[in-house]
Amino acid sequence: DAGVIQSPRHEVTEMGQEVTLRCKPISGHNSLFWYRQTMMRGLELLIYFNNNVPIDDSGMPEDRFSAKMPNASFSTLKIQPSEPRDSAVYFCASSLTGAGEQYFGPGTRLTVT
Amino acid sequence: GESVGLHLPTLSVQEGDNSIINCAYSNSASDYFIWYKQESGKGPQFIIDIRSNMDKRQGQRVTVLLNKTVKHLSLQIAATQPGDSAVYFCADHPAGGKLQFGAGTQVVVTP
Repeated sequence: DAGVIQSPRHEVTEMGQEVTLRCKPISGHNSLFWYRQTMMRGLELLIYFNNNVPIDDSGMPEDRFSAKMPNASFSTLKIQPSEPRDSAVYFCASSLTGAGEQYFGPGTRLTVT
Repeated sequence: GESVGLHLPTLSVQEGDNSIINCAYSNSASDYFIWYKQESGKGPQFIIDIRSNMDKRQGQRVTVLLNKTVKHLSLQIAATQPGDSAVYFCADHPAGGKLQFGAGTQVVVTP
């Protein structure tokens, strides 16, 4: 298995632009997680899905952030409009169930100027 | 709120020595604990896990110890190698809750 796939790996955009991050979880995994990592705040859980349904989005910073999982093999995290403080590495992870070991993707490094 | 924290932000260890990374957790409802390793430019990678009904678990060159009395978790790496240089995170999972990551410890292996 190729593991969790994320794209793009790097994204540089200007403030106010829309950003869409993509994730393909490991086939057969039922849970998908979006994390944000910064030096200041560490690794933060933004949202997670179980069987394509959002279970907990309490970590989503504000309404500018939204996430979807239209099917078991694809999820997006969208930021609209983006701001410089959104600059971070965004990780997607998947697991067989909601609890237990999570497999992380390589991350998307987002820079908003 | 309850959180997971690490005692040492940076640990320098000589190649060949054993490493011990410590972690304190505060949520007494946590029943599952994981250690992750994150190398520069990569996502966290699972190392080893332990459930609250155990106090020790061994893997390949790694051992996790759990002391529920003092809510303390440690990761021991035997014969540390240059490839072990990374940031190590502990995470706890309360029953019915979300996985909570600690701040991380940077391990630097010196020759």
